[in-house]
Amino acid sequence: EIVMTQSPATLSVSPGERATLSCRASLSVSSYLAWYQQKPGQAPRLLIYGASTRATGIPARFSGSGSGTEFTLTISSLQSEDFAVYYCQQYNSWPPLTFGGGTKVEIK
Amino acid sequence: EVQLVESGGGLVQPGGSLRLSCAASGFTFSSYEMNWVRQAPGKGLEWVSYISSSGSTIYYADSVKGRFTISRDNAKNSLYLQMNSLRAEDTAVYYCTRDDSSSWYSWFDPWGQGTLVTVSS
Repeated sequence: EIVMTQSPATLSVSPGERATLSCRASLSVSSYLAWYQQKPGQAPRLLIYGASTRATGIPARFSGSGSGTEFTLTISSLQSEDFAVYYCQQYNSWPPLTFGGGTKVEIK
Repeated sequence: EVQLVESGGGLVQPGGSLRLSCAASGFTFSSYEMNWVRQAPGKGLEWVSYISSSGSTIYYADSVKGRFTISRDNAKNSLYLQMNSLRAEDTAVYYCTRDDSSSWYSWFDPWGQGTLVTVSS
């Protein structure tokens, strides 16, 4: 099973600032990595797939990078609606499909 | 509009059973692989089960293997999760979600709104 580790667990950022979230895989997942955003009481929403491809309708301030075992989600200028929990997920080697533990982005 | 709507959640005693349903609309359901993903209260996401478009290939997480059964009815555009021998640790919101790629390597999009299953005496 591939273990996904996200850091930090909580990130305190001021509106307008840049946020950088990390995701590490215990084995290489190539570029088969997705990022999801989840707001309280809502279902997760796909942001990024293929490590760097934005999903339909996702603003350009969201960008993904990395391959192999190290990945990054960057939010270039945080808007109020971006404060949420973010999860990474690998789909290279499965079953099982595995998620990271999440990073909560909160208002500083 | 692509939509997934779960139903069937509720309160059940340990050892009991529950059947979740997911109604799909806005896309050709029979062409897509589907999954169940759950989220315990205040916790992260956990993949539960996968079913291929025809229903011929099925996978489960070890935590539910032998107790849960995934199935689908393509004529009714519906996905199901039969949950037996339920435990307190199965308490979670259960999401229905679609594989968004036709290849083996696929991410999840979209997700339903989820249905809450509570296992407690």
